[in-house]
Amino acid sequence: AQTVTQSQPEMSVQEAETVTLSCTYDTSESDYYLFWYKQPPSRQMILVIRQEAYKQQNATENRFSVNFQKAAKSFSLKISDSQLGDAAMYFCAQNSGGYQKVTFGTGTKLQVIP
Amino acid sequence: DAGVIQSPRHEVTEMGQEVTLRCKPISGHDYLFWYRQTMMRGLELLIYFNNNVPIDDSGMPEDRFSAKMPNASFSTLKIQPSEPRDSAVYFCASSLSLGTDTQYFGPGTRLTVL
Repeated sequence: AQTVTQSQPEMSVQEAETVTLSCTYDTSESDYYLFWYKQPPSRQMILVIRQEAYKQQNATENRFSVNFQKAAKSFSLKISDSQLGDAAMYFCAQNSGGYQKVTFGTGTKLQVIP
Repeated sequence: DAGVIQSPRHEVTEMGQEVTLRCKPISGHDYLFWYRQTMMRGLELLIYFNNNVPIDDSGMPEDRFSAKMPNASFSTLKIQPSEPRDSAVYFCASSLSLGTDTQYFGPGTRLTVL
């Protein structure tokens, strides 16, 4: 069974600073994908970044980057130059090759302080 | 593309009434998912379809819940009879045919059962 754990229910960061959100997962699959989704107050789930497990290089999308540690089964999200619009719930998620079920973590609520 | 479309955005009903939630996936996406989000249980996968066929409905809480996908561009989630504990945000998501492809979420339907 797949599990995804986000141990930080809430985080806060000063505007323009950097914050890292933690995520660990567990799977017996060798081929899988990892995702970070953002859910602002509008409730819509928005894909932030995605990482293929077979790729060594950490994914980056503008101010968002991940630290993917496959052996440790860790997948943290780093947000640089935090902006007020980054305030949201962030969900870590995983699904496995050929198996469409996605497992989500419980989320981390990020507050950005002006 | 318009993205995943869900209707209604908000639904308030009384216990015992039938509720129907609607979803239009992104054109060309072969997979459609229904999720439920609550504070207590987080984001739960209820059911998913591949090419209009239900593949896994193990997340459907009980017989009061049913889902259909009569064609590639439309799906419904029905609750009959509804109960207060069904109050939640219900998301529809769709993805391309690859097993590890990104899921794109709709804006959700907030259901309140009085």
